[in-house]
Amino acid sequence: SQTIHQWPATLVQPVGSPLSLECTVEGTSNPNLYWYRQAAGRGLQLLFYSIGIDQISSEVPQNLSASRPQDRQFILSSKKLLLSDSGFYLCAWSPGLAGGDEQFFGPGTRLTVL
Amino acid sequence: GDSVTQMEGPVTLSEEAFLTINCTYTATGYPSLFWYVQYPGEGLQLLLKATKADDKGSNKGFEATYRKETTSFHLEKGSVQVSDSAVYFCALSDPDSGGYQKVTFGTGTKLQVIP
Repeated sequence: SQTIHQWPATLVQPVGSPLSLECTVEGTSNPNLYWYRQAAGRGLQLLFYSIGIDQISSEVPQNLSASRPQDRQFILSSKKLLLSDSGFYLCAWSPGLAGGDEQFFGPGTRLTVL
Repeated sequence: GDSVTQMEGPVTLSEEAFLTINCTYTATGYPSLFWYVQYPGEGLQLLLKATKADDKGSNKGFEATYRKETTSFHLEKGSVQVSDSAVYFCALSDPDSGGYQKVTFGTGTKLQVIP
């Protein structure tokens, strides 16, 4: 069966510090991968998606970036965090082409920027 | 573009009450429709889905019917429990997004069930 991991689970960082959040998927190959942010009391905002290694698309311009160095690894980064980057970050995967349209979510990372 | 509109919360119900959470959508193609549930501090889990008009998705006593004529996918449950307290997201998947599953989510509706 497939599983998706995110770490860390929680993170408190000062403004201006760097960020690296990691997401890995097990039990599947060539997944589509996604990063979402959920601000307090709000819905999900798609940040990045990837259909393959080193193939990243950004949905919203910001000071965040994403990388996919391996097929089942997706990393969200920032060089300098802003207060507005606080939120709940969710990684998700879906099957590749012709594999179905459901997305499977990780447990999330709670980021607080002080 | 695609969009999903769902009723604002929070919705507060007594245990064993009937639940309806409204969801309407706009889409250019023929999307699949979903309800996801998020328990406190966790990621989202798929609750149910429907892939074509008049399909009914069901799971754990929850139901939703894909109504193309009214572009709706309302979530219902006949008798809610305290354990159903969570945030519920309506979503649609655009089949014409060119190689990946672009999912558009509603803003979520928080449900509180009191004993």
